[in-house]
Amino acid sequence: AQTVTQSQPEMSVQEAETVTLSCTYDTSENNYYLFWYKQPPSRQMILVIRQEAYKQQNATENRFSVNFQKAAKSFSLKISDSQLGDTAMYFCAFQTQGGSEKLVFGKGTKLTVNP
Amino acid sequence: DTGVSQDPRHKITKRGQNVTFRCDPISEHNRLYWYRQTLGQGPEFLTYFQNEAQLEKSRLLSDRFSAERPKGSFSTLEIQRTEQGDSAMYLCASSTGQAGYGYTFGSGTRLTVV
Repeated sequence: AQTVTQSQPEMSVQEAETVTLSCTYDTSENNYYLFWYKQPPSRQMILVIRQEAYKQQNATENRFSVNFQKAAKSFSLKISDSQLGDTAMYFCAFQTQGGSEKLVFGKGTKLTVNP
Repeated sequence: DTGVSQDPRHKITKRGQNVTFRCDPISEHNRLYWYRQTLGQGPEFLTYFQNEAQLEKSRLLSDRFSAERPKGSFSTLEIQRTEQGDSAMYLCASSTGQAGYGYTFGSGTRLTVV
């Protein structure tokens, strides 16, 4: 069974600075996908960024980028130029290819961006 | 299409009562998922549908829980004889079934059992 571990329950960062959220996972699969989801307070979960395991190039979406280390089974999220609107819970998630393709989530990291 | 809709947003019920939640997915999405999220935890998979067929159920889904997706459109999740441990956020999500593109989530139904 796949597991996802987020070792930082809470983090804070000053507005305009850079912060990195950590995620590790465990799987015996070779083909899979990784995601970071953002869940603002009392609002729905939205997809921030996705990474295909067979691609060596790290994904980037505007101020969000990942550091994907397949051998180490590590998938960290870097947020540059942090904004107050980035304050949210961030969840790392794993998805196998085929079958139910259900997402397996970590416990989340609560990020607070301070003015 | 306005995304995934869930109703109600909040539900308070007394222990032992039955409750039913509804999810309306994105119309062209053939997969629908139910997750449960308790405080301080990430969402946990409950069950999923491919069109109208329920193809997998988690062991978290006790026999008090039942889900349906008639005609492959909206879905309902019913909890019978609710217990305090059922208090959680129940999330619905839909997808095209194409792996690697994630899901679109609804805003969830927060259940409080008193």
